[in-house]
Amino acid sequence: GDSVTQMEGPVTLSEEAFLTINCTYTATGYPSLFWYVQYPGEGLQLLLKATKADDKGSNKGFEATYRKETTSFHLEKGSVQVSDSAVYFCALRDTGFQKLVFGTGTRLLVSP
Amino acid sequence: EAGVAQSPRYKIIEKRQSVAFWCNPISGHATLYWYQQILGQGPKLLIQFQNNGVVDDSQLPKDRFSAERLKGVDSTLKIQPAKLEDSAVYLCASSLAGTGGGNQPQHFGDGTRLSIL
Repeated sequence: GDSVTQMEGPVTLSEEAFLTINCTYTATGYPSLFWYVQYPGEGLQLLLKATKADDKGSNKGFEATYRKETTSFHLEKGSVQVSDSAVYFCALRDTGFQKLVFGTGTRLLVSP
Repeated sequence: EAGVAQSPRYKIIEKRQSVAFWCNPISGHATLYWYQQILGQGPKLLIQFQNNGVVDDSQLPKDRFSAERLKGVDSTLKIQPAKLEDSAVYLCASSLAGTGGGNQPQHFGDGTRLSIL
């Protein structure tokens, strides 16, 4: 079945450092890809998405490019802030019933 | 626009007891999802409704879990009897459309954190 693999955390960075969180997927067909963010005690918030190969999703300084050839959707940000500390989930949405399949999440800790 | 509402936020019960969670989706959203998020893992879909019909319940442990969405709006998820491994956060999400509905995003509630003693 469909699956998503994320790099394990926590990822610990200093403020203004460059961020990369790796995500690869296995799927039949051509799924849409997503990054969700979860702040402590809150639900999931959609961060960005890409619906087809070579699409780049971006939001709040984060970006990720849908790479079909490497089945990847890595999340990047040029300069992280303390407020970016959260758990980040990579997900795909299957082309059938539209359910989301999530990775295990990567915790990001940003220190001042 | 009001978001997805869930209650209660927290629930503590003993194993073998029963528990129910409630979800009110965003107004006008036809599709409703229940996810289970065990600590340290990503959310896993339990059941998906399109209006008041079940679209996908392949990962719902039907011997103890049940869910309904009688009028195509609010939904309840029930566990009876609860087991220790049911300790998790139960997330409800909704979207404008499901199957064949294009790329409508799913909006999540804050979840119900269930602890089984």
